[in-house]
Amino acid sequence: AQSVSQHNHHVILSEAASLELGCNYSYGGTVNLFWYVQYPGQHLQLLLKYFSGDPLVKGIKGFEAEFIKSKFSFNLRKPSVQWSDTAEYFCAVLSGSARQLTFGSGTQLTVLP
Amino acid sequence: DAGVTQSPTHLIKTRGQQVTLRCSPKSGHDTVSWYQQALGQGPQFIFQYYEEEERQRGNFPDRFSGHQFPNYSSELNVNALLLGDSALYLCASSLQGGPDTQYFGPGTRLTVL
Repeated sequence: AQSVSQHNHHVILSEAASLELGCNYSYGGTVNLFWYVQYPGQHLQLLLKYFSGDPLVKGIKGFEAEFIKSKFSFNLRKPSVQWSDTAEYFCAVLSGSARQLTFGSGTQLTVLP
Repeated sequence: DAGVTQSPTHLIKTRGQQVTLRCSPKSGHDTVSWYQQALGQGPQFIFQYYEEEERQRGNFPDRFSGHQFPNYSSELNVNALLLGDSALYLCASSLQGGPDTQYFGPGTRLTVL
């Protein structure tokens, strides 16, 4: 069965700092990759996704992620975070013929003003 | 364009009771997936419904069952509730045969006492 690892459980940054959240998955075949964000008191929202093509994908609010197949990674980046980016971020994988998303345990990002 | 809706928002039950949660998918979507999100964890896949049939199931006991109606809405039923069933239950909708992007509802917070 596939699994998803998010190594950073809690990240604290100051505004304007750069962000990189790690995500690694364990599946050797074709994967679809997602980052979801859960703002305080709100539901899970899609941040960005990768299906095929350019491994560098851009999402909403200035976020981007890079798919590196050889490293089984899909790290999330943002050059300059804002206080409003404070939220929990989840990496998820849809692999092979499975129709289910497998989520990582999430990374809580706190941005200090 | 209505997004995914879920009811009720919160629910408190006691051990041994039964509960039914409801979900209406995003307009145009025909597939509903249910996830359980325990505190501090990523969502865990319960099952997925398409064409009124359970298509895939995660590692959850038979106490968890579901149904999909002709209008694509869905119910999640949990029997013989345990304390460990306390969690946020998320519904996600998608379009079968299209890009496998799942859109999530706000969830139902279930507390079992």
